[in-house]
Amino acid sequence: GAGVSQSPSNKVTEKGKDVELRCDPISGHTALYWYRQSLGQGLEFLIYFQGNSAPDKSGLPSDRFSAERTGGSVSTLTIQRTQQEDSAVYLCASRSDRPYNSPLHFGNGTRLTVT
Amino acid sequence: EDKVVQSPLSLVVHEGDTVTLNCSYEVTNFRSLLWYKQEKKAPTFLFMLTSSGIEKKSGRLSSILDKKELFSILNITATQTGDSAIYLCAVLYDAGGTSYGKLTFGQGTILTVHP
Repeated sequence: GAGVSQSPSNKVTEKGKDVELRCDPISGHTALYWYRQSLGQGLEFLIYFQGNSAPDKSGLPSDRFSAERTGGSVSTLTIQRTQQEDSAVYLCASRSDRPYNSPLHFGNGTRLTVT
Repeated sequence: EDKVVQSPLSLVVHEGDTVTLNCSYEVTNFRSLLWYKQEKKAPTFLFMLTSSGIEKKSGRLSSILDKKELFSILNITATQTGDSAIYLCAVLYDAGGTSYGKLTFGQGTILTVHP
């Protein structure tokens, strides 16, 4: 596809369960970002992948959160033992590193609701 | 600590009004500043600014960057109800170490335009 694709678009889960959110970036984009957005709020940085470099995990809020990026393309964000405060929209974005400055392109997000 | 601050956090105007949204930042190794508009789902890209004093314009929207004073403004003239959205400012910078090309967002400005 032409844009960033995220799945599922909505996820309702019970407190304590694990969830996996998927992001398929734009083909050829080497940088991939995950952000979290609570209702009416700005975007909170979670994790960032750039090519084969070690990811920047500085935004992950706890060790229940982890992310992988396989083959430099698809990424999966995993939240273990979900809590109600994890409820938010999780946005994935990708960008090219050519040119040096290039904008982020966002997916439509996954709305996670923890009951 | 690297940060991006937007003001005001919310703004209510009537159609035809002109609005100015502000974004200030403190980051090391600045690359560029980006503005996004977010309605229901994914933020959509508006402008990327890399040089001071050069106005970017698209229809009724315009933006300018001041790299000495570390801020940017986004102007919207003759506002319409379709301009109602969250406007997000983000700064792309090199965070150092193994992390580079990091993008940090401000809290966003919620703009509501009444008929």
